[in-house]
Amino acid sequence: DIQMTQSPSSLSASVGDRVTITCRASQTISRYLNWYQLKPGKAPRLLIYAASTLQSGVPSRFSGSGSGTDFTLTISSLQPEDFAIYSCQQTYTSPYTFGRGTKLDIK
Amino acid sequence: EVQLLESGGGLVQPGGSLRLSCAASGFTFSSSAMSWVRQVPGKGLEWVSSISRTGDTYYADSLEGRFTISRDNSKNTVHLQMTSLRADDTAVYFCARQVGELELVHWGQGSLVIVSS
Repeated sequence: DIQMTQSPSSLSASVGDRVTITCRASQTISRYLNWYQLKPGKAPRLLIYAASTLQSGVPSRFSGSGSGTDFTLTISSLQPEDFAIYSCQQTYTSPYTFGRGTKLDIK
Repeated sequence: EVQLLESGGGLVQPGGSLRLSCAASGFTFSSSAMSWVRQVPGKGLEWVSSISRTGDTYYADSLEGRFTISRDNSKNTVHLQMTSLRADDTAVYFCARQVGELELVHWGQGSLVIVSS
């Protein structure tokens, strides 16, 4: 199985900050990497698919990059509604594993 | 508007069984792959199972053959039959629609499964 390792596991930041979250795959997954936002009591939200394509309706402050084994999610200027858990997922091959998540909270 | 509505969750004793259902609307169900993903509250996501539009099935290794995914295209419904349930199966179970390169673009609100005596 492909293991997805996210770092950091938690991150404290302020409104307006630029933050970057990293996801590393245990083997190459080309660009089959997706990013989701998780908030308590709500359905997960797809932010980025195919490593760098912004899902419709997602603010442009979110961006993704990478290919092969190393990927990043960047939020260019944090907004109050961005404090949440972020999770990456590979869909290169089954099982379609998720990372353990990065909790982003307010400093 | 795409809607996914899960049902069937609840409290079950260890070793018991439960069947989750997800009723879909707002898209051509028979043309879509569907998945189940679970989340322990406050934790990250765990992919559970997927079924392709042609009925091919895929499962997480951790399930050890205890879960079965199926679909009924005549009723626009996907099911997850769970057997030999354990305490670590306790989670909110989400139904999701896969598109494109299998990203999960639409999600239900989730169904809570609690395995406890």
